[in-house]
Amino acid sequence: DAGVTQSPTHLIKTRGQHVTLRCSPISGHKSVSWYQQVLGQGPQFIFQYYEKEERGRGNFPDRFSARQFPNYSSELNVNALLLGDSALYLCASTPWVAGGIQYFGAGTRLSVL
Amino acid sequence: ILNVEQSPQSLHVQEGDSTNFTCSFPSSNFYALHWYRWETAKSPEALFVMTLNGDEKKKGRISATLNTKEGYSYLYIKGSQPEDSATYLCASLPNFGNEKLTFGTGTRLTIIP
Repeated sequence: DAGVTQSPTHLIKTRGQHVTLRCSPISGHKSVSWYQQVLGQGPQFIFQYYEKEERGRGNFPDRFSARQFPNYSSELNVNALLLGDSALYLCASTPWVAGGIQYFGAGTRLSVL
Repeated sequence: ILNVEQSPQSLHVQEGDSTNFTCSFPSSNFYALHWYRWETAKSPEALFVMTLNGDEKKKGRISATLNTKEGYSYLYIKGSQPEDSATYLCASLPNFGNEKLTFGTGTRLTIIP
């Protein structure tokens, strides 16, 4: 079975642009979470979606938004990019919301110039 | 403790030696403690999820303990091998019902052949 897949792998944008990152969860997993990892820090929670509804939001500005589709894949959108948005964006999936193991993708590396 | 803290930040260990590192988390608001192993350019991989005070988990040469009353967890690696080189992340889950993990900054382990 395929693991969590994220696209694209790498992305370069300029300040002020917007970006869409995509995540496909493991087949059968209904919950998707997004994390931002800045160099030297641990991953920081951005959003969680379960059954297409937002179940949790971290301390991120409204420039960050996400959605989950009927096939449980998810998109993370970031508007008006800032230099500080440069980071590795990780997606994780779980079968349901139960506090168990999260299965991570390899991430999307976003560079904002 | 308000945040999840890990120590040491980095560690160099001779092949064959055993080692351990620490994760501290807020004990007042706790549901589960996760350990992940993250090799460079790969996805974070779950090692353990622990919920009960006194829990001990083992996976091959790696084991972990949990003290929820004082808010710490230890990860032990016995007889270190080069393939153990990775960053080890712990994360606290304060509530059941969402997947909002709070990660530490990780311990970067390098095994010297």
